[in-house]
Amino acid sequence: DQQVKQNSPSLSVQEGRISILNCDYTNSMFDYFLWYKKYPAEGPTFLISISSIKDKNEDGRFTVFLNKSAKHLSLHIVPSQPGDSAVYFCAAAGSARQLTFGSGTQLTVLP
Amino acid sequence: ETGVTQSPTHLIKTRGQQVTLRCSSQSGHNTVSWYQQALGQGPQFIFQYYREEENGRGNFPPRFSGLQFPNYSSELNVNALELDDSALYLCASSKGGTQRDTQYFGPGTRLTVL
Repeated sequence: DQQVKQNSPSLSVQEGRISILNCDYTNSMFDYFLWYKKYPAEGPTFLISISSIKDKNEDGRFTVFLNKSAKHLSLHIVPSQPGDSAVYFCAAAGSARQLTFGSGTQLTVLP
Repeated sequence: ETGVTQSPTHLIKTRGQQVTLRCSSQSGHNTVSWYQQALGQGPQFIFQYYREEENGRGNFPPRFSGLQFPNYSSELNVNALELDDSALYLCASSKGGTQRDTQYFGPGTRLTVL
């Protein structure tokens, strides 16, 4: 039972345009959400997070939006750069002491 | 500041064998979490250690066990290896024992079970 789903395995975007990565979750007990970025041969790197009491959090070029009623979150990257090409994982946390990850989306930013 | 390191980088074992993977946490961090990442999947939580005590466990059988040492480094032990145990094993350290504390991941150990 996948509690966190990233339905797009891959996404290609032109440099300078917006990248939108999506994530859905099913467990209503999740109240904290994170995005991680992973380059080949490296561990995931924390990017940005959002608490369920907010619907938006921004950090430079990265913005995460949370729609609790739809159990959906998205990561916007504006403008996209070639160095953003990586696998992006959405993760969720609730009262249990664990992060539940989605299966990831491979973002390719084309120069 | 030294990041999270893991050893070995790669490992090949056969079914039924036992394996020990090691993780050195980032300086100042007292919590280590272990994850299994199968090909094409996201990391799956195995367990977490906080100040040398197991602090939470995912849906993994008891043949997956761990230790955390006084210097907060950690080991993951897997007994009676099965083919499905082939995966990338990631450890992550953090300053606190909650999942809201930012976790810093190591590069992982690639385990292949033949």
